[in-house]
Amino acid sequence: TQLLEQSPQFLSIQEGENLTVYCNSSSVFSSLQWYRQEPGEGPVLLVTVVTGGEVKKLKRLTFQFGDARKDSSLHITAAQPGDTGLYLCAGTNAGNMLTFGGGTRLMVKP
Amino acid sequence: GAVVSQHPSRVICKSGTSVKIECRSLDFQATTMFWYRQFPKQSLMLMATSNEGSKATYEQGVEKDKFLINHASLTLSTLTVTSAHPEDSSFYICSAKQGAHEQYFGPGTRLTVT
Repeated sequence: TQLLEQSPQFLSIQEGENLTVYCNSSSVFSSLQWYRQEPGEGPVLLVTVVTGGEVKKLKRLTFQFGDARKDSSLHITAAQPGDTGLYLCAGTNAGNMLTFGGGTRLMVKP
Repeated sequence: GAVVSQHPSRVICKSGTSVKIECRSLDFQATTMFWYRQFPKQSLMLMATSNEGSKATYEQGVEKDKFLINHASLTLSTLTVTSAHPEDSSFYICSAKQGAHEQYFGPGTRLTVT
């Protein structure tokens, strides 16, 4: 069983602060996705990283895939209250199945 | 991006009754659909994978006789929770994909069993 560990599980910060969420595994993934989910809604895909060492930017969000394709990070610069939500990483294996991490619940206070 | 819908968005049923949840891919043909369950403040847990026209593959610990999955067409999969009990109350989310393309998630269905 491939496991993805996310940390921290919960993060409460003030508006304007920076933060990093980590997603780690002992397994190699063919790709890794980051999702954001708001209460009562389904997850919305933010980004997919495929290549080891890849870095993708989405406005204030920076995603990095580890060189060995076993870990990833999400960095948010100058967090805003609108960034509040549940952030989920999910790895795709050779069978094209998604394995979700435990999630990081982010709260950004104004 | 592709659109996946779920119906109903919320449902309340009495203990012992059955409830059906529909998942539809609106603008693509979903060769594979997935059903997830999510408890409050937790991540998504895969329940089963269904391919159009064949029986669903259930994850370990998921009762196939309790959670009936039908993927009768390339745009529709249904999850029926049979003889529901309060512990079945949860947020059920489906996703769909076409071939090797990425999965697109539905908005979820909140089931409350009283």
